[in-house]
Amino acid sequence: KQEVTQIPAALSVPEGENLVLNCSFTDSAIYNLQWFRQDPGKGLTSLLLIQSSQREQTSGRLNASLDKSSGRSTLYIAASQPGDSATYLCAVRARHAGGTSYGKLTFGQGTILTVHP
Amino acid sequence: GEEVAQTPKHLVRGEGQKAKLYCAPIKGHSYVFWYQQVLKNEFKFLISFQNENVFDETGMPKERFSAKCLPNSPCSLEIQATKLEDSAVYFCASSHHRVVNYEQYFGPGTRLTVT
Repeated sequence: KQEVTQIPAALSVPEGENLVLNCSFTDSAIYNLQWFRQDPGKGLTSLLLIQSSQREQTSGRLNASLDKSSGRSTLYIAASQPGDSATYLCAVRARHAGGTSYGKLTFGQGTILTVHP
Repeated sequence: GEEVAQTPKHLVRGEGQKAKLYCAPIKGHSYVFWYQQVLKNEFKFLISFQNENVFDETGMPKERFSAKCLPNSPCSLEIQATKLEDSAVYFCASSHHRVVNYEQYFGPGTRLTVT
C-alpha cells in the first residue's frame, strides 16, 4: 500500500527566504507526482506535475525534483512571499492494477507554510 | 466547461438523512475521481469512473456510499443514512485520457456537515 509522507508538517519563514518542502513515498511504481497548493477553505491548485521519467520541473519561483528510486520529491520555493502562505500537498499517481495509467492519487498530509512580512 | 464544477458548495444534513453531491467534469475529460478530505488534510480516494463505467472503487465504503456517471448528466455521489464521520469536504477531479501528463484537475469541493 502506497504511503506518502511530507516533512515538515508546518513551516514559518520570513519573507524572502528560499525554502524546501519534502515528500517521500513508499512504492516507487508511480506514474507521476503532483504538487498542489490549497488555501484555507478552498480547492486544490495544481502547481507542478513530474512524470516518473523526469527529474525536475520548474514554474516561476517553484522547482520540483523527483528521485523515483529513493522515493523522494522536493519542492523548492525561491524568494518566498506572504502570498505563498498555504498548505502544500504532494500526491503520487499509481499505476492502475490493470496496467493503465489512470490511477488514483495518494496524498501526503501536507505542509502548512506561513510566510510573514 | 473549462473547470470542474461541483454543487452544492455546502450541504448540511441531520444524522441518518441522505446526501447527494454533484460533479460536472471538464468537457472532453473521460475520467472522473472522487476524494474525501477529512481532518483538514487527510485525503482519501473513493471511486473513479471512465465515462459511465466504474474504473476503480477500492476506496468506496460499500454500505452507504454509491456513485454514478451517466451520459449527458453530472456525476453524482450519494450517501445514504449519513453519519457524523461523513462530515468532510468531497472533491471531484477529472482527467483527459489523451493528455500525455494525465493531470487531474480538481473542483472546488462540497463541504458536507452532518449534525
